[in-house]
Amino acid sequence: KQEVTQIPAALSVPEGENLVLNCSFTDSAIYNLQWFRQDPGKGLTSLLLIQSSQREQTSGRLNASLDKSSGRSTLYIAASQPGDSATYLCAVPGSPTSGTYKYIFGTGTRLKVLA
Amino acid sequence: DADVTQTPRNRITKTGKRIMLECSQTKGHDRMYWYRQDPGLGLRLIYYSFDVKDINKGEISDGYSVSRQAQAKFSLSLESAIPNQTALYFCATSAGTGGNTGELFFGEGSRLTVL
Repeated sequence: KQEVTQIPAALSVPEGENLVLNCSFTDSAIYNLQWFRQDPGKGLTSLLLIQSSQREQTSGRLNASLDKSSGRSTLYIAASQPGDSATYLCAVPGSPTSGTYKYIFGTGTRLKVLA
Repeated sequence: DADVTQTPRNRITKTGKRIMLECSQTKGHDRMYWYRQDPGLGLRLIYYSFDVKDINKGEISDGYSVSRQAQAKFSLSLESAIPNQTALYFCATSAGTGGNTGELFFGEGSRLTVL
């Protein structure tokens, strides 16, 4: 059964810092991994999708890496800004036994960037 | 306009009432999903549909039913609402094929409160 863990659960940093959010998963037989951002009471916005054949993906100040063999992904945020304050979720497809057709979500890292 | 639209955005109802949450999408995706989000529990899959004639239960389908009226429309019903169904509900779509779910796109969410 695929399980997804995100550490830390909450993070508070001063503006301008570079930071890393972690996501680990138990079943490495995945097609892809997706990172989302969620603002309070809002929907999930897709940030990056990494295919299993890729090691990393970049979008602006965001860089996500994927290491399938160790069951880990990291989301790197460069030069953080107060507008980056949100909850960041990672999601991976389920295992072949539980169903690869559905995503399993971590409970997220709540990020606060202080001005 | 949003690619994935949910209505209503907020709803307060009483125990025992029938409630329908609607989702429509303009992305042209075949796959649609209903998720529920509760604090501390993350997102959990209620139902999913891979095409108009395909409906499947997710991990927490008890007390819910769905209807896929068209490729672009997927509605979630609570036949007799109960207080522990108070949550934030999300519709999502993807263009996956086979076992590869593909990138998920979410609506803004429907906040349901059952008194």
